[in-house]
Amino acid sequence: NAGVTQTPKFQVLKTGQSMTLQCAQDMNHEYMSWYRQDPGMGLRLIHYSVGAGITDQGEVPNGYNVSRSTTEDFPLRLLSAAPSQTSVYFCASSKAADRGSSYGYTFGSGTRLTVV
Amino acid sequence: KNEVEQSPQNLTAQEGEFITINCSYSVGISALHWLQQHPGGGIVSLFMLSSGKKKHGRLIATINIQEKHSSLHITASHPRDSAVYICAVLDNQFYFGTGTSLTVIP
Repeated sequence: NAGVTQTPKFQVLKTGQSMTLQCAQDMNHEYMSWYRQDPGMGLRLIHYSVGAGITDQGEVPNGYNVSRSTTEDFPLRLLSAAPSQTSVYFCASSKAADRGSSYGYTFGSGTRLTVV
Repeated sequence: KNEVEQSPQNLTAQEGEFITINCSYSVGISALHWLQQHPGGGIVSLFMLSSGKKKHGRLIATINIQEKHSSLHITASHPRDSAVYICAVLDNQFYFGTGTSLTVIP
């Protein structure tokens, strides 16, 4: 089925561990992004990419790395997990995200991460 | 500083009621999205609009660019409409409201 696939759905990490959240889309979307959602706060942008080989920081990038080697995949890496990174993470994609964009947005189902 | 403000934060309605959720924003935008997040966590894009009004089934979304305001209306509300509704605006990046939690009681 076409869409955005996120794995895993749930993860528990110990402080200091590393892991990669996977995100893949099969809609040939240029724009992909990672958000975190915390109670009482809106979704906040971590990193985004406007195409293969191009990534940039969002509002809350510290502690996270990304890469975009292909159009389809946009993994999010936590190099040394901290309890402050306990959150729900969403990957999203769209055809374009610059001014004047008229395309919709597709979200993955989310990854609930707990760092203890 | 919140670029996007939604009201109300929480809303409880009886089945069949007409519902309005409001969104005000402070940035210049190229588009506004209304998203729906169900209790299971998944987020679905309901509407994307840059002017005027859009309708999809019982859902209607309007935007007033001059007043920097959008509304999401649900006609003949149903318990399956219970969800969190999120307003998001696109400037050079997306800014999200904190959501309106809607509960429709049978």
